[in-house]
Amino acid sequence: GAVVSQHPSRVICKSGTSVKIECRSLDFQATTMFWYRQFPKQSLMLMATSNEGSKATYEQGVEKDKFLINHASLTLSTLTVTSAHPEDSSFYICSAHDTSGRGKNIQYFGAGTRLSVL
Amino acid sequence: DAKTTQPPSMDCAEGRAANLPCNHSTISGNEYVYWYRQIHSQGPQYIIHGLKNNETNEMASLIITEDRKSSTLILPHATLRDTAVYYCIAVNFGNEKLTFGTGTRLTIIP
Repeated sequence: GAVVSQHPSRVICKSGTSVKIECRSLDFQATTMFWYRQFPKQSLMLMATSNEGSKATYEQGVEKDKFLINHASLTLSTLTVTSAHPEDSSFYICSAHDTSGRGKNIQYFGAGTRLSVL
Repeated sequence: DAKTTQPPSMDCAEGRAANLPCNHSTISGNEYVYWYRQIHSQGPQYIIHGLKNNETNEMASLIITEDRKSSTLILPHATLRDTAVYYCIAVNFGNEKLTFGTGTRLTIIP
């Protein structure tokens, strides 16, 4: 299947700092990417939809000024957690939507980024 | 998108077929059934999807009932590496959002 690369896989930061997570579709173009968050023993929760060349669409309850999303190209979306606090510690996962004929309308996921805020 | 219901957990012996059920009784005519799985501490992995016909690929088979109200994912020869949480998701083909439920935690027993 198609490959989505997410970096870094793990990050530990101090409270109050900002952390950037990158999501790249390696072998297809993605006009739409998604960012999810997963707390321990819970399911994935959609945070926002990232649209290439336009503003992201955030789910209810997700602070857009805290979770900055940039989708500057058809293969790259970034999520920046600004002024991170311990409660932001979580597993962040991105996905990219392959709408090409080969992809058959499938979302492919990155490996995830485990963020720990001290 | 239609709500799906899955058993919270299942066990299967290694080498046997694992049959994972999913109920989606309110599914509409243009909603597809997608299956993903998530191995511990990794991102979800796409397995298979279908609309109304049965589907098979190198990973699994998907059997959808004629009334489309339920489906079964079949892993024909389960291995220990198939231990994961399996998610069944009904989604309108034009809607790109995936809503993950709690899934089925499948444990393959040696």
